[in-house]
Amino acid sequence: DQQVKQNSPSLSVQEGRISILNCDYTNSMFDYFLWYKKYPAEGPTFLISISSIKDKNEDGRFTVFLNKSAKHLSLHIVPSQPGDSAVYFCAASVGGGADGLTFGKGTHLIIQP
Amino acid sequence: NAGVTQTPKFQVLKTGQSMTLQCAQDMNHEYMSWYRQDPGMGLRLIHYSVGAGITDQGEVPNGYNVSRSTTEDFPLRLLSAAPSQTSVYFCASSSPGQGGQPQHFGDGTRLSIL
Repeated sequence: DQQVKQNSPSLSVQEGRISILNCDYTNSMFDYFLWYKKYPAEGPTFLISISSIKDKNEDGRFTVFLNKSAKHLSLHIVPSQPGDSAVYFCAASVGGGADGLTFGKGTHLIIQP
Repeated sequence: NAGVTQTPKFQVLKTGQSMTLQCAQDMNHEYMSWYRQDPGMGLRLIHYSVGAGITDQGEVPNGYNVSRSTTEDFPLRLLSAAPSQTSVYFCASSSPGQGGQPQHFGDGTRLSIL
């Protein structure tokens, strides 16, 4: 049973517009959520995170929103740039991540010029 | 700053062979973990360690062994390779912190079992 779900395998967005990537989870024990960006033939790179005690975290062009009651989080990228084209993974952990992360299957974001 | 280093980058094995995937980190992180990524799937946790001498199983541990004799190194051993273990393997490390700390990943080992 998938505990972290990314239901959109791919997303195409025009350069300069907003990209919104979604993630749902089922485990109420998750208390830390992260977004990773991955290019081909490279390891995932940490992008932004949010603790379960917050509902929003912002870092430059990237903002993550958390809706605990809906068990839903989203990543907003504004404005989208060509270099943002990559696979984005949503991940979650319990208790600070000592016992690893649970990942979604990823969303392939394609930024169209 | 090397971060997390994985070797080798590519490997082809025959069914039944054994091998060790190496992982080293130079950030003095206490936590280390191994994941595998298969096509169309997210990363799945194989084994993890919260410190030297301490390891535990993740979601998909069968067919793999780990040990953690030093803070820096966390090798992953395939005892008898099977075609189902063809995958991309990622090692990660992180440090404890209130509210969690992001894991830092290596660039992966691409393993094919024939």
